[in-house]
Amino acid sequence: AQSVTQLDSHVSVSEGTPVLLRCNYSSSYSPSLFWYVQHPNKGLQLLLKYTSAATLVKGINGFEAEFKKSETSFHLTKPSAHMSDAAEYFCVVSEKGSTLTFGKGTMLLVSP
Amino acid sequence: GAGVSQSPSNKVTEKGKDVELRCDPISGHTALYWYRQSLGQGLEFLIYFQGNSAPDKSGLPSDRFSAERTGGSVSTLTIQRTQQEDSAVYLCASSLGLAKTYEQYFGPGTRLTVT
Repeated sequence: AQSVTQLDSHVSVSEGTPVLLRCNYSSSYSPSLFWYVQHPNKGLQLLLKYTSAATLVKGINGFEAEFKKSETSFHLTKPSAHMSDAAEYFCVVSEKGSTLTFGKGTMLLVSP
Repeated sequence: GAGVSQSPSNKVTEKGKDVELRCDPISGHTALYWYRQSLGQGLEFLIYFQGNSAPDKSGLPSDRFSAERTGGSVSTLTIQRTQQEDSAVYLCASSLGLAKTYEQYFGPGTRLTVT
């Protein structure tokens, strides 16, 4: 069975400082992993995905994530936060493409 | 190109009434999924369709929920005899197929409020 744990429900940063959103997963197989972002009253947008190629994955808007099998982690990072990054972020695992399992989400707050 | 579209964007209904939610997937995407997003439960899988295969209904919460996909394209999610706990945002997604490497593209959702 697959599962995802997002370790923080809320993360607060100042504009221009680094962002770290933590995600741990559990899977019986070699999963694909995704990060999605949801801005207020908007749909989910894919930030990046890992599908067993390079372990360091670069996504849109300067975000990247590193797949660490030994730690079963897939943390999302960005060197410098922007006000427009304020949103809810979801870590997602997929063992089989038919079923995505979402984490509970991390709300990123960015202050000026 | 056009993304996944859903209608209506908002729906308010009285308890006990039936509602239909519509999803238009991205052209060429063979897989279509329905999810429910609510405050207490997060994002839950409801059902998926792949091509002409029988849908996987394993996530539907009760027999009041049903969905169909006509002509391998547009899908309708129907909730009969709505209850207040059905209030949520219903999200539709589509993908090129079922392989785990394919990302799902999400629509903007339908916000359902049952009064």
